[in-house]
Amino acid sequence: SQTIHQWPATLVQPVGSPLSLECTVEGTSNPNLYWYRQAAGRGLQLLFYSIGIDQISSEVPQNLSASRPQDRQFILSSKKLLLSDSGFYLCAWSWKTVSNYGYTFGSGTRLTVV
Amino acid sequence: KQEVTQIPAALSVPEGENLVLNCSFTDSAIYNLQWFRQDPGKGLTSLLLIQSSQREQTSGRLNASLDKSSGRSTLYIAASQPGDSATYLCAVTGNQFYFGTGTSLTVIP
Repeated sequence: SQTIHQWPATLVQPVGSPLSLECTVEGTSNPNLYWYRQAAGRGLQLLFYSIGIDQISSEVPQNLSASRPQDRQFILSSKKLLLSDSGFYLCAWSWKTVSNYGYTFGSGTRLTVV
Repeated sequence: KQEVTQIPAALSVPEGENLVLNCSFTDSAIYNLQWFRQDPGKGLTSLLLIQSSQREQTSGRLNASLDKSSGRSTLYIAASQPGDSATYLCAVTGNQFYFGTGTSLTVIP
């Protein structure tokens, strides 16, 4: 069965420090992968999506970047964190069958920038 | 651009009550609609997925309906329990994936 792993679960980082969040998917190949952010009291915002290795699209201009070094690995990074980068980050992959199409999410990373 | 709205933003009900959560979307050109549950500080758990050709889906005490022409979906929860307390999100899949802002549900014992 397919599973998606995200780590770390929580992270407290000082302003100006770098960031690296990892997401891996198991049990499938060539998945579409997504990074979402949920700011406090707000909805989910799509940050990046990837349809393949080194194929990444950014939905919003920001202080973050994403990379996909392997087929089932998606990394969210920043060189220098801002206070406004605090939030709940979710990785997801989309799956498709003959008659259906949906999304599965990881358990999330709570990032607090201090 | 697709806009997904969920009403109410927050809901508090006594245990045992049946309740309905609402989701509306502006563009009816969707592939499907998913309802998710999110517990505080946790990821999203998919509850029900309704394809655009379907009218409803059921899972246990949950029933989700879809009226694509009017741009509406409802999530019906029967005999609510304190363990149902969470934020419920609907999301539609069109050329992208669009989330509503969620309904925070509290079931009071």
